[in-house]
This record gives sequence, C-alpha cells and structure tokens, in this order.
Amino acid sequence: DAMVIQNPRYQVTQFGKPVTLSCSQTLNHNVMYWYQQKSSQAPKLLFHYYDKDFNNEADTPDNFQSRRPNTSFCFLDIRSPGLGDAAMYLCATSRDLAGAYEQYFGPGTRLTVT
Amino acid sequence: DAKTTQPNSMESNEEEPVHLPCNHSTISGTDYIHWYRQLPSQGPEYVIHGLTSNVNNRMASLAIAEDRKSSTLILHRATLRDAAVYYCILRALMNYGGSQGNLIFGKGTKLSVKP
Repeated sequence: DAMVIQNPRYQVTQFGKPVTLSCSQTLNHNVMYWYQQKSSQAPKLLFHYYDKDFNNEADTPDNFQSRRPNTSFCFLDIRSPGLGDAAMYLCATSRDLAGAYEQYFGPGTRLTVT
Repeated sequence: DAKTTQPNSMESNEEEPVHLPCNHSTISGTDYIHWYRQLPSQGPEYVIHGLTSNVNNRMASLAIAEDRKSSTLILHRATLRDAAVYYCILRALMNYGGSQGNLIFGKGTKLSVKP
C-alpha cells in the first residue's frame, strides 16, 4: 500500500550528466516536496509545489529543477550533477501547506555521482 | 524560523517507556509541534503532532507543556524497531505561497534501544 513512491531507489550518474528522479503519490495531496539528505545530516528542503505553484527555497542551487505534470507525479532534475550532489533525495507529500497537516515521505532515491 | 533543541542521543531498554524531550522556547502561538522519525536507510516517518493539547495515537503520545515551550514524545513500550533518529519540528501556519509552513529539520535525537 505504498503511498509515496520513488523511482529508482538507487541511481548512479556521471559527473555533469543530467539525471531525473521520479516521485509519485496515491494520496491525492496538494503539496509535493523534494528534500536533499547528505550523509549523517538532516533532510534539507529544496522546493515544493502547491498544486501547480512552485516555491523554491532561497538557497537551492540553480542546478536543481523540478516539474509536476499532474497531481500524482513530481520530478527532480539535476542538470549537471557534481560530486557534492551525491545524497539521498526524499520526496514528501502533504494535504496542505498549513502546519496542521503532516507530511508523508517516500523511501528516497540514493544518488551516486561518479 | 522557530527552532527546537533536542538531546543528541538517548538510550532505552526494550519494553520500557521512552520520553524524548524537545525544547522550543521561541514557539509562536500558531506553531504546530510535529514529530518525525527516521529509521536507518529509510525516509522520515510521521509520528504525531499537536498544537496545545496532549495527543495520542497508535504510535506514541505527545505531551505539550502548558506554556508550550517544551514537549515530550512518549513511546510507551520501546521495541528494537523504534531505534531511529527522532526529529521535533515546529511547523507554522503559513501564508499561501510562502515557506513558513515547511518542515525545517534539526539534528534530532538518536534513540538506541537495548534488548
């Protein structure tokens, strides 16, 4: 009964080669988030969509882009991955942006950059 | 952003209750207190959240101080599967399109459970 699905679970890409990570949800939630989690660190929010409205965190590098073609799917594009982009990428959803609502996370995609 | 302070690590024995503290002295009146946990190599998992009153669910209980400057996550009987990093996060009511309602993760408390 997976609710937030991330594919693939493990991704290896080469330095500078564009890569796309995928997230889908069966919850019909309005909000989808992308987080980056580096080894031994806490998750860090990159951006989120409320429906089709995109909100980028101020310190998210331009190298990171996102697309949400419909309610169920959201993609993270890394245009030119560097070695420092190796991390776990987490997708999450929430019914709404308001603090009363919890977030549901997917299992994550672990990205390796060679 | 209102911040939280948690102990870096705690230990518990299996089948005993665990009380995980969180201080949030700068909490505003509209901040919800959220708890998530992250097991090794997994995504974070929602545990519980509350605003003013104590909350109970199948996973845990959340005790909120009367002045809301601190809270405690209570696991009633720890199991080995509860070993994880527990994050206490304040999530604000927000204006549409802003970031105030986003989860800002701190370092959390790493809970170890001994058999």
